[in-house]
Amino acid sequence: IAGITQAPTSQILAAGRRMTLRCTQDMRHNAMYWYRQDLGLGLRLIHYSNTAGTTGKGEVPDGYSVSRANTDDFPLTLASAVPSQTSVYFCASSDSDAKPGELFFGEGSRLTVL
Amino acid sequence: DAKTTQPPSMDCAEGRAANLPCNHSTISGNEYVYWYRQIHSQGPQYIIHGLKNNETNEMASLIITEDRKSSTLILPHATLRDTAVYYCIVSRKTSYDKVIFGPGTSLSVIP
Repeated sequence: IAGITQAPTSQILAAGRRMTLRCTQDMRHNAMYWYRQDLGLGLRLIHYSNTAGTTGKGEVPDGYSVSRANTDDFPLTLASAVPSQTSVYFCASSDSDAKPGELFFGEGSRLTVL
Repeated sequence: DAKTTQPPSMDCAEGRAANLPCNHSTISGNEYVYWYRQIHSQGPQYIIHGLKNNETNEMASLIITEDRKSSTLILPHATLRDTAVYYCIVSRKTSYDKVIFGPGTSLSVIP
């Protein structure tokens, strides 16, 4: 079982470019999340989705957009990347009805914006 | 929603019990306590959760005080592989936007 798959694992990107981080889960979880992790700041929630077709804003949503066209995929898009978006991005999912708060995480995507 | 407070760092001797505290003094009656850990550069890993009773699984034990204002995660026999950042989170069942991670406790298991 793969669980959560993120791609790419790392990327260097020029400022102003558009970038989409991909996230796919094979557990049929209803909820999915995107976090960013910066040194000294822990994990901060960017966007979440509690079911296919719906999304919501987390703590730090500005500059990011998400979509949830189906249960398995939850891509995160940076429309015009800026250096402050340099971070490690983690995607997660949960079966929030059966096991609330029990999140499964991917291995992260390290993004550097120059 | 309730916030959590954890010490920034702790040390533990290998083979000894590691007791990681968490304060959540504003916790509501329908909020659960969750613990995760993150080993360097990997994605966080779920450990255990509880509502008001103590819980135990193959990884750890969770002790929640009677007033639910604090909890302790216990790793009974710490190994070097338990060196990680441990996060305590409080969340309601349907709080999709409230699964918020703080800075956690950096646990170092020392040989």
